[in-house]
Amino acid sequence: KQEVTQIPAALSVPEGENLVLNCSFTDSAIYNLQWFRQDPGKGLTSLLLIQSSQREQTSGRLNASLDKSSGRSTLYIAASQPGDSATYLCAATPGGSYIPTFGRGTSLIVHP
Amino acid sequence: GAVVSQHPSRVICKSGTSVKIECRSLDFQATTMFWYRQFPKKSLMLMATSNEGSKATYEQGVEKDKFLINHASLTLSTLTVTSAHPEDSSFYICSAQDRGRPDTQYFGPGTRLTVL
Repeated sequence: KQEVTQIPAALSVPEGENLVLNCSFTDSAIYNLQWFRQDPGKGLTSLLLIQSSQREQTSGRLNASLDKSSGRSTLYIAASQPGDSATYLCAATPGGSYIPTFGRGTSLIVHP
Repeated sequence: GAVVSQHPSRVICKSGTSVKIECRSLDFQATTMFWYRQFPKKSLMLMATSNEGSKATYEQGVEKDKFLINHASLTLSTLTVTSAHPEDSSFYICSAQDRGRPDTQYFGPGTRLTVL
């Protein structure tokens, strides 16, 4: 059974810092790995999706990498801003069912 | 892009009543929809898989008589929490699998249920 772990569980940083959020998964036989953002009381917003054959994806200040063999993905946030404050969830999706397994998330606070 | 809506976004009800939550795919057909429950500071927990025109598949530990799921069309699935109790208070999120792209799920905005 796939297990997804996110470290750290919470992070509080001053504005402008570059951040690394970590995600690890136990079963490397994944179809894709996805990063989501969740604001308090809201649903999920997809940030980046990395297919199993890819190594990384970039969108603006966000960069996500995937190392399937070691069961790890990282989300890099450059020049963090207060508007980046949210919970970031990663999810590993297997082939076949395509039902993702989610981590518990990293709660990020960027203070001015 | 594909949009999934949920209604209501927030509901407060008395203990013992039933609450229905709707999940709609607005611009695509979804043969499969998923219902998740999220506890504070916890991950999303898959409750059930809703298949259009057939019975839902429930995850272990989820009471099917408690959480009734109906997927009557390719764009609508409903979750009814029957005889709700305070412990059912939670954030419920649905997702829909695009019929043409089964490897992609689109998530709804969630429904906050509070049972008094």
